Amino acid sequence: AQSVTQLDSQVPVFEEAPVELRCNYSSSVSVYLFWYVQYPNQGLQLLLKYLSGSTLVKGINGFEAEFNKSQTSFHLRKPSVHISDTAEYFCAVSDHTGGFKTIFGAGTRLFVKA
Amino acid sequence: KAGVTQTPRYLIKTRGQQVTLSCSPISGHRSVSWYQQTPGQGLQFLFEYFSETQRNKGNFPGRFSGRQFSNSRSEMNVSTLELGDSALYLCASSGDSSLMNTEAFFGQGTRLTVV
Repeated sequence: AQSVTQLDSQVPVFEEAPVELRCNYSSSVSVYLFWYVQYPNQGLQLLLKYLSGSTLVKGINGFEAEFNKSQTSFHLRKPSVHISDTAEYFCAVSDHTGGFKTIFGAGTRLFVKA
Repeated sequence: KAGVTQTPRYLIKTRGQQVTLSCSPISGHRSVSWYQQTPGQGLQFLFEYFSETQRNKGNFPGRFSGRQFSNSRSEMNVSTLELGDSALYLCASSGDSSLMNTEAFFGQGTRLTVV
């Protein structure tokens, strides 16, 4: 069975500072990894995904993530955050065996302060 | 291309009643998944439908059921509502299970309040 652990429930950071949101996963098979963002009263929007190939994945809004197989991690980073990045961020894993089933972490609330 | 549409956006029901939520996926998408989101439990997978067949199921009681129609639209039904069913119900659609269609596109959700 797969599982996803987001190590921080809340991350406060000042505007223009760098940020890293941490994610660890466990799975007995090869997985696909995702980061989604959710703004208040909205659905989820895909930030980036790792399927295969280069372990450094670049996404929208200046975010990037690095897949580390030995540490089973997929941390999300941004070098300089904006107020508009304040949102909930979800790390997710899917193995696509027998259909589409994505398991989400508990979420990390990023709060960007002026 | 229109996105994933969920109706209604907001719903208030009484304990013991039943409710049906609707999801129209992106045109051409055949996989529809449902999730329950609550502050305490986060995003929990309910089930996935593909070509009118339930392909995956989460760990929810039988009161939660769903179906998918030939046009890929999906409905989710919850019977005998409990206060704990109050949540944001999210629907996601995806092309299929191939590598190139791994992204799930989410609707804005239906906010269900049980009183």
